[in-house]
Amino acid sequence: EVQLVESGGGLVQPGGSQRLSCVASGFTFSNYWMHWVRESPGKGLVWVARINSDGTSTNCADSVKGRFTIYRDNAKNTLYLQMNSLRVEDTAIYYCSTLNRFGRDYWGQGTLVTVSS
Amino acid sequence: DVVMTQSPLSLPVTLGQPASISCRSSQSLVHSDGNTYLNWYQQRPGQSPRRLIYKVSNRDSGVPDRFSGSGSGTDFTLEISRVEAEDVGIFYCMQATHWPPWTFGQGTKVEIK
Repeated sequence: EVQLVESGGGLVQPGGSQRLSCVASGFTFSNYWMHWVRESPGKGLVWVARINSDGTSTNCADSVKGRFTIYRDNAKNTLYLQMNSLRVEDTAIYYCSTLNRFGRDYWGQGTLVTVSS
Repeated sequence: DVVMTQSPLSLPVTLGQPASISCRSSQSLVHSDGNTYLNWYQQRPGQSPRRLIYKVSNRDSGVPDRFSGSGSGTDFTLEISRVEAEDVGIFYCMQATHWPPWTFGQGTKVEIK
């Protein structure tokens, strides 16, 4: 059974940091590009970041560039999102996903990050 | 960045009746490889999104055949031939042709009248 399990969400103060993790199982994680997508009320789904299969290439949305870093450890089948200088507007449910253009597509259950004082 | 515009944003439907959602992109989604990377996602209340349709009109495994996708260039449509209660939720289109960024539409909320 394919699973993507996110963790690391919680309450953090503005300006703080948080690291999200996403553990994959049931498919060959190292073959897939991986993404983080967030969902917040009134904004719907928004793409956050992407990393290629071996971790050598990344992209981030302009809204998080310079603050968020996506990386992966294929030996541990784990995707990460390091979030620094968090803002109130970063409050959202964060999903990891393969976000495939075709072929099988997988999503995690999401982890809630709340940025508030 | 490619802007994806969905309409309507709210869609009250009667059970058993058809429903249609439009998605327009700010530029053509035809990739240089000849494919059009336009996906449709469904997000039921309290659940993660799941992909329904990829490359405009290809249904994912397990997706009922009452869902169909069509379109080309900049205009795309998701149709539900006969709405069932389990179809309630938010539907999103997303383009994966011109990246980064990958961009979603605003979402269309489908509810039962």
